[in-house]
Amino acid sequence: DSGVTQTPKHLITATGQRVTLRCSPRSGDLSVYWYQQSLDQGLQFLIQYYNGEERAKGNILERFSAQQFPDLHSELNLSSLELGDSALYFCASSVYSREGVDTQYFGPGTRLTVL
Amino acid sequence: DAKTTQPTSMDCAEGRAANLPCNHSTISGNEYVYWYRQIHSQGPQYIIHGLKNNETNEMASLIITEDRKSSTLILPHATLRDTAVYYCIVRVRGRIGGKLIFGQGTELSVKP
Repeated sequence: DSGVTQTPKHLITATGQRVTLRCSPRSGDLSVYWYQQSLDQGLQFLIQYYNGEERAKGNILERFSAQQFPDLHSELNLSSLELGDSALYFCASSVYSREGVDTQYFGPGTRLTVL
Repeated sequence: DAKTTQPTSMDCAEGRAANLPCNHSTISGNEYVYWYRQIHSQGPQYIIHGLKNNETNEMASLIITEDRKSSTLILPHATLRDTAVYYCIVRVRGRIGGKLIFGQGTELSVKP
């Protein structure tokens, strides 16, 4: 158990709909990352937040957005869903260590199925 | 971040040591080597990381060559539960956060 929690575990919805995925980081971790894993693309970085501020962006679609709240939990919002958005979505959290690196710990993921 | 090269797949007998190689010939002095694994559709699991010295923890050992251009992850007594995809990732030190770039990894199959 990494200490990162994600809800829901599974989500089935229809094309055109909007969903929200939730992530609670490990206690004390300030950074939250979102990754998408589809069958043909592997694990892809979407976006990172650090202490409530957006820090880095990957190949995140405009239909997707995220935020990190004052209690440090994060939500990933996916709208106008398409069949190709079906994937596993992982959240990770990290804390910046004295070594000068941060180690990311991943949650169990949310499996999104768009029908 | 430096690119890594790993074999696509490997087999290992249960109870034997699994040695997973990784090539990172373009690594620079401020880059760490990280290893993660993913057991079928679960979240990637952190295993170990190192800069230039060999490292050991309760899960594995990491051996980094003196020139730092390659490394080997060693699972000393592989079990069936170690069957997973193993990812070798290089990351820059001194950066607050930053994405992990996952390649194809090595699919390790531990067989009875």
